Amino acid sequence: GEDVEQSLFLSVREGDSSVINCTYTDSSSTYLYWYKQEPGAGLQLLTYIFSNMDMKQDQRLTVLLNKKDKHLSLRIADTQTGDSAIYFCADPTYNQGGKLIFGQGTELSVKP
Amino acid sequence: EAGVTQFPSHSVIEKGQTVTLRCDPISGHDNLYWYRRVMGKEIKFLLHFVKESKQDESGMPNNRFLAERTGGTYSTLKVQPAELEDSGVYFCASSRDASATGELFFGEGSRLTVL
Repeated sequence: GEDVEQSLFLSVREGDSSVINCTYTDSSSTYLYWYKQEPGAGLQLLTYIFSNMDMKQDQRLTVLLNKKDKHLSLRIADTQTGDSAIYFCADPTYNQGGKLIFGQGTELSVKP
Repeated sequence: EAGVTQFPSHSVIEKGQTVTLRCDPISGHDNLYWYRRVMGKEIKFLLHFVKESKQDESGMPNNRFLAERTGGTYSTLKVQPAELEDSGVYFCASSRDASATGELFFGEGSRLTVL
C-alpha cells in the first residue's frame, strides 16, 4: 500500500533555515500537503503543492517536489521559536482530499 | 465560525471499559473523518462520513470500534471494550469538499489512555 516516510526530529537554531524531508510511494496524487501541529492543538494545513509543480514559495515557506525520486521537502527560512511544532507530510489516497496518508511527523525544535 | 471541537480532551480508562469520543464538525461540513495517532507513529485514517452515511470505514481496526453520525451533525466513536493498544490520540476532521483540493479542518484531538 501507499506509504509516507519522514525523519522524526530536527533541531535548529533561531534564524537558521529548517528543511524537513518526506518520501512517498503513491505517484498518482494530484496534490501533496504539509500539516503543522503546534503543542496542544489540532493539525493545521500549512501549505500544499500541485504534483505538476517543482516548487512553491509562500513567504518563509518553500516546498520542493521531486516526482522522479518521490521526494517532498519543506524549507522554513529564518526559523523562529514559534515554528516549533510537529510537521506532517500527507498524501491523499486516490485523490480523495479527506483520506490522507500521513508520515510519522517531524518534530522541529527551534533553540534561541 | 467555530472550529472542529472534540470531547473529552483526555480520557483515562481501564482495559475492558468503554469510552465514547465525540466530535462536532464545522457547521455545514458534510464530510467528517476520524483519524488516530498511536504512540507517536503516523496518523492513520479510520473512517469517513458523508452526512450520516459511512462512505469509507476501511481504516477501522476491528469491531470493538463503532462510529455513528446520527442526523449528519456530530459524530461519536465508541470503543468497547477498550484494549491497551487503543491508547493514542483520536483526531476528528471535517471538510465541505471531499475532493483533493478540499481542505481538512482538524480538531485538537481526544487523547485516550487505556491502563
